[in-house]
Formats: sequence, C-alpha cells, structure tokens
Amino acid sequence: DAGVTQSPTHLIKTRGQQVTLRCSPKSGHDTVSWYQQALGQGPQFIFQYYEEEERQRGNFPDRFSGHQFPNYSSELNVNALLLGDSALYLCASSSTTGTFHNEQFFGPGTRLTVL
Amino acid sequence: AQKVTQAQTEISVVEKEDVTLDCVYETRDTTYYLFWYKQPPSGELVFLIRRNSFDEQNEISGRYSWNFQKSTSSFNFTITASQVVDSAVYFCALWNDYKLSFGAGTTVTVRA
Repeated sequence: DAGVTQSPTHLIKTRGQQVTLRCSPKSGHDTVSWYQQALGQGPQFIFQYYEEEERQRGNFPDRFSGHQFPNYSSELNVNALLLGDSALYLCASSSTTGTFHNEQFFGPGTRLTVL
Repeated sequence: AQKVTQAQTEISVVEKEDVTLDCVYETRDTTYYLFWYKQPPSGELVFLIRRNSFDEQNEISGRYSWNFQKSTSSFNFTITASQVVDSAVYFCALWNDYKLSFGAGTTVTVRA
C-alpha cells in the first residue's frame, strides 16, 4: 500500500519563475492538504482540497494556487517566485470516511530553492 | 486564532534517559484535536499520538506517554528510556477546521 508520494524531490528555480509541485494521496484517501515548512520552523498550512475544490485556505497570497484531479491527486502552483518561498513543501492526505478523518499522512516533501 | 507554543528549542539527553516535551496551545474552539508528530532528518512527518478535546485521560503507548491538561491548555509528551533512533524534531499540532497548526518544534538529540 503506497503512502503519500510527492514529486519532484528537489527543485531549484530563480526569482520570478513559476513552479508546480505534485502529490498523490495514500490509497483510499480523498483529501489533500499542502503545507510550507521554512527552515527551522513548523509547517504552515497553505490550503486543502476536497472534491476538486479548495475547502480551506491559510494565510498565503494568491500566488499560491492548487488543483485536485478526479483521481484525488493534487498540484500546488506558485507564481512569481520570491526568495522567501524557499522551503520544504509537504503534502498530506486524509480520508473523510472512517473514524479518524483528521489524521493526516504526510509525504516526504519537495525541497524548493529559489535563487 | 489558534496558536501552538513549544518553548523548548533543543533537548539533548543520554540514551535511556526520559525526555519530556512541552506544548501549550491556544484556541477558542471547544472541539479540537491535538497531535504529536516526529520529523526525522529524512523530512517526512510521522504521526505519533492524537488526543481529542473531550478526553483528558492520559495514556501510555509503548515508550510514549502524554499528559493532556485542558485547564492549563497543555499537551506534554514523554519518551521513556530514550534511544538514539528517537533523535528527531518533534512537533505538537492542533487540529481544527480542516487544518493543522504546528508549533515551532523541539529538536531532540539522544547521545549513545
């Protein structure tokens, strides 16, 4: 049973560019959340997707956008990259059915470096 | 607004010592969940324990135990008889309204 997978593992971009990160949820999960973790800090919630729509959003600018596909996989897009966007981006999946709907399983993350 | 505070930045212990990690949270909600996650150097967050706001019973699970006190908004976590493999960053998190709010983390180093 595959867990949460993310691609790519590492990414280097320059300021002003755009980036797309991808996430496949754990088998049986229908909800995907994205978090940004700057070096030395705890993860910060970006947004959550359920039924192909953004259900909840954290305090992030509109440069951060996402999408969820019918197979529940998800993309995180960041436009006009800033140096401050350099971070580990974590994807988490969960299931709306079952007892522990709030238990989020995390992927290994994508390390984004903006030069 | 929700807030999670982990006052300890780093803790260093010798193997077999017990380690207690402090966590204090703030929320106006009456229904919420508290979590502890472990993040080894590989970067993937690993779920450790969960507690809902209606259950203040403290439990032990293997070498892990936790002390949830709603009156002081604290959710402390203890590793008993620590091992080198326990070296990682530990995060306390508060779940509500579909999202997790994390503390800044405590780096635990267990020396052999």
